[in-house]
Amino acid sequence: DGGITQSPKYLFRKEGQNVTLSCEQNLNHDAMYWYRQDPGQGLRLIYYSQIVNDFQKGDIAEGYSVSREKKESFPLTVTSAQKNPTAFYLCASSADRGGPEAFFGQGTRLTVV
Amino acid sequence: ILNVEQSPQSLHVQEGDSTNFTCSFPSSNFYALHWYRWETAKSPEALFVMTLNGDEKKKGRISATLNTKEGYSYLYIKGSQPEDSATYLCAFPNAGGTSYGKLTFGQGTILTVHP
Repeated sequence: DGGITQSPKYLFRKEGQNVTLSCEQNLNHDAMYWYRQDPGQGLRLIYYSQIVNDFQKGDIAEGYSVSREKKESFPLTVTSAQKNPTAFYLCASSADRGGPEAFFGQGTRLTVV
Repeated sequence: ILNVEQSPQSLHVQEGDSTNFTCSFPSSNFYALHWYRWETAKSPEALFVMTLNGDEKKKGRISATLNTKEGYSYLYIKGSQPEDSATYLCAFPNAGGTSYGKLTFGQGTILTVHP
C-alpha cells in the first residue's frame, strides 16, 4: 500500500532533550513537508523539501532541523532550542512543488514532560 | 508569510442545511488551490485541486469554485449531514520567488452538523 508513515504516534520528551520524528513515504513524491498544529490553530509550516539534499525553512523553523538524504525520508528533529515543542506534528508529501494534492501521515503527538 | 485566510473559523448548522465557506489567497504567482477535509482522529484528505480561473468542481454534495483574479475560492455543502462534520482546510502552493513550492494552509473552518 502506498502512503506516508509517521512514527512514533506518541512521543514524550524531557526538557532539554532533542528528539527526532520519522516520516517515510513510498509514493515516489519529490516534495515533502512538516507541519505543526497547536490547539485552536491551523497547520503551520516548519520545513519543506522539493528534492533530495535540499530543504527550505517554513514559517516557524526556529528550534527545528531536518534532513533529506533520501527521497523517501524526511525526518524532523525537535531541538532543545524549541521553546514550546508540545504539539501535534504532521508530515505530508506531494508529487510536484505542492501543485498536486498533498498526502498526509497519521501524525505524531509530542509532549514535553 | 503568505496570507491564506479562511472564514468563518467555525460554523454550526442543522442537518439538511446548505452552507459555504471562503478561502482567500494571494492572486499573484497562482499555481493551484487545494481543499482538504480533516475529520477527527484521521489525516487530512484532499477534496479538490483547482487550477483554472472560473473552475468549478463537484464531489457528491460538495462543490467548490475558484476566482484566481481576485484570489478567493468558495466551498459549498448542499444538504449537510452529520458525517460532514470536520475541519475544512484550503492550501496554496507558491509557484514563484524564493518560496517556490511552499505549501501554505489556511486556519481552517470547523463545521459541526447537528442532527
